[in-house]
Amino acid sequence: AQSVTQPDIHITVSEGASLELRCNYSYGATPYLFWYVQSPGQGLQLLLKYFSGDTLVQGIKGFEAEFKRSQSSFNLRKPSVHWSDAAEYFCALFSGGYNKLIFGAGTRLAVHP
Amino acid sequence: DSGVTQTPKHLITATGQRVTLRCSPRSGDLSVYWYQQSLDQGLQFLIQYYNGEERAKGNILERFSAQQFPDLHSELNLSSLELGDSALYFCASSVQDRVGNTQYFGPGTRLTVL
Repeated sequence: AQSVTQPDIHITVSEGASLELRCNYSYGATPYLFWYVQSPGQGLQLLLKYFSGDTLVQGIKGFEAEFKRSQSSFNLRKPSVHWSDAAEYFCALFSGGYNKLIFGAGTRLAVHP
Repeated sequence: DSGVTQTPKHLITATGQRVTLRCSPRSGDLSVYWYQQSLDQGLQFLIQYYNGEERAKGNILERFSAQQFPDLHSELNLSSLELGDSALYFCASSVQDRVGNTQYFGPGTRLTVL
């Protein structure tokens, strides 16, 4: 079955601290993976995507993600978190057979000053 | 700003009513997707259109329908509304519908059914 799991529902970090949000996927073929961010009352903004090639992907706002096929993971990282990064983050898998994105449940990030 | 627009931003209506949500894709995008975001179900794919034709269906109720017009804008029609239909409805668009295409999301329409 195709699925995306984000094990952490809530994460709280201090401003300036590093961040890693976990994402695990289940997919039988080469996955196409995305991270989106949703700020309160806003739509989904694309942070980065992985299609193939280099397993370390750079995105906007200083985010990066690393694809690890052996671990079926696509974790999102940021070296130093800013208060404006507080939002909900969604990992998604493109299901080519159904032309849709399969989303994880999301991780809500809180940033303490 | 993704370039995808959705109207209205908010919609409050009563059970049993019918509403229409509208989406304009990014310029040049031929594919439109509809998603529903609710507290209990999370983000769920509803339906996809490509250049006016239905391409894929997800967890869309029979009371819901959609279409894509020749100018490529899309409408999602929700009828016989129930309390459980209250959710945030997103539209996304992409250039094509091939494997791996990137979907860009609109700001959403928040539907409240009272």
